[in-house]
Amino acid sequence: QQQVKQSPQSLIVQKGGISIINCAYENTAFDYFPWYQQFPGKGPALLIAIRPDVSEKKEGRFTISFNKSAKQFSLHIMDSQPGDSATYFCAASVNDYKLSFGAGTTVTVRA
Amino acid sequence: NAGVTQTPKFRILKIGQSMTLQCTQDMNHNYMYWYRQDPGMGLKLIYYSVGAGITDKGEVPNGYNVSRSTTEDFPLRLELAAPSQTSVYFCASSSRSGGAGYNEQFFGPGTRLTVL
Repeated sequence: QQQVKQSPQSLIVQKGGISIINCAYENTAFDYFPWYQQFPGKGPALLIAIRPDVSEKKEGRFTISFNKSAKQFSLHIMDSQPGDSATYFCAASVNDYKLSFGAGTTVTVRA
Repeated sequence: NAGVTQTPKFRILKIGQSMTLQCTQDMNHNYMYWYRQDPGMGLKLIYYSVGAGITDKGEVPNGYNVSRSTTEDFPLRLELAAPSQTSVYFCASSSRSGGAGYNEQFFGPGTRLTVL
């Protein structure tokens, strides 16, 4: 079964809007939570990552919010741009390497 | 640096045929992985390796085999291809960064395999 549950499956946002993708996990041993971005026909690439000792991490327009007690984390894309249109995967692992991925969210930013 | 390269880009196999998907990285990474990506299912780990001569099963290893004779290469072997193996296959590599760093996985461009 999916160790990391991701929602929504897809979303459409207007340029300048906020995209929010949510993930939930059960394994409390997970200690590394990355987000990967994938463009059509390409391999995924690391976008941003967080460890459970912090509640938020921001890199440019991308922010991860982490709620350890609820076992949930989310990606916020602020001021969404057409170039952000891609599929986003959350993931989790123990000791950094064997990643369990969510099912993915396809984000479409309308100009 | 080419990063992670995969060949072939596309392949069509008949049921029962065998093939090897090639993966090479030039970043001197110890860790290498094979994933398959199916629509709406995310990426599933097939096999991984923590160094030359060491491999282990991931989440979905049935129908696949791997070997790791060098740091650079991590081929994935499909024996007796089945329609259920139709998928996009990604190879990735990473290096333990240690300390507070992140063990970023670098992905290749993928191989799209169809089994008919």
